[in-house]
Amino acid sequence: GAVVSQHPSWVICKSGTSVKIECRSLDFQATTMFWYRQFPKQSLMLMATSNEGSKATYEQGVEKDKFLINHASLTLSTLTVTSAHPEDSSFYICSAYPGQANSPLHFGNGTRLTVT
Amino acid sequence: AQSVAQPEDQVNVAEGNPLTVKCTYSVSGNPYLFWYVQYPNRGLQFLLKYITGDNLVKGSYGFEAEFNKSQTSFHLKKPSALVSDSALYFCAVRVDRDDKIIFGKGTRLHILP
Repeated sequence: GAVVSQHPSWVICKSGTSVKIECRSLDFQATTMFWYRQFPKQSLMLMATSNEGSKATYEQGVEKDKFLINHASLTLSTLTVTSAHPEDSSFYICSAYPGQANSPLHFGNGTRLTVT
Repeated sequence: AQSVAQPEDQVNVAEGNPLTVKCTYSVSGNPYLFWYVQYPNRGLQFLLKYITGDNLVKGSYGFEAEFNKSQTSFHLKKPSALVSDSALYFCAVRVDRDDKIIFGKGTRLHILP
């Protein structure tokens, strides 16, 4: 149980285009979803926290107009990288939280974004 | 402020030997502690958690972790390492009544054949 599906697993796009990444909790409802960015050989950087039906909360230094997050339902959150640039190339990972305090986060398998 | 420290960037262990990956934390409140493992180009997989109760927690793939309140530590251990255990390991903490989980910077574990 507790499966989180994230897709695409990898995407290559041209500079200036937008890319949407989907994160779905398949067998549970996620009150909160988190989006992370991971640079090579580095830890996870929390980008934003999204709760169903409300605006996402962005971490300091993350441009909310560049990284649009929509949490449309209790099982789906999307991250759209708008007007992508090569420096946006990274590994993006979503996670979903069922809402119980003793529950771990459940992670998607990540999306490797390459902007050319 | 809440924080998690993984003091070792990398740990090398010979196959068959016991392994330990260190984690210490600093929180105000009751901690919920977690260990995750990440394989290349994949998301994180949950290994084990400490919420309350026994200080020794057993998890997936033969891993265990020991909660030590006085030392504010939650070290990950395994009695006999496998080459397939080579991966990136993250310690994480959540404070009760808070959704946000704080991650350590990760420790890369190399098991040498």
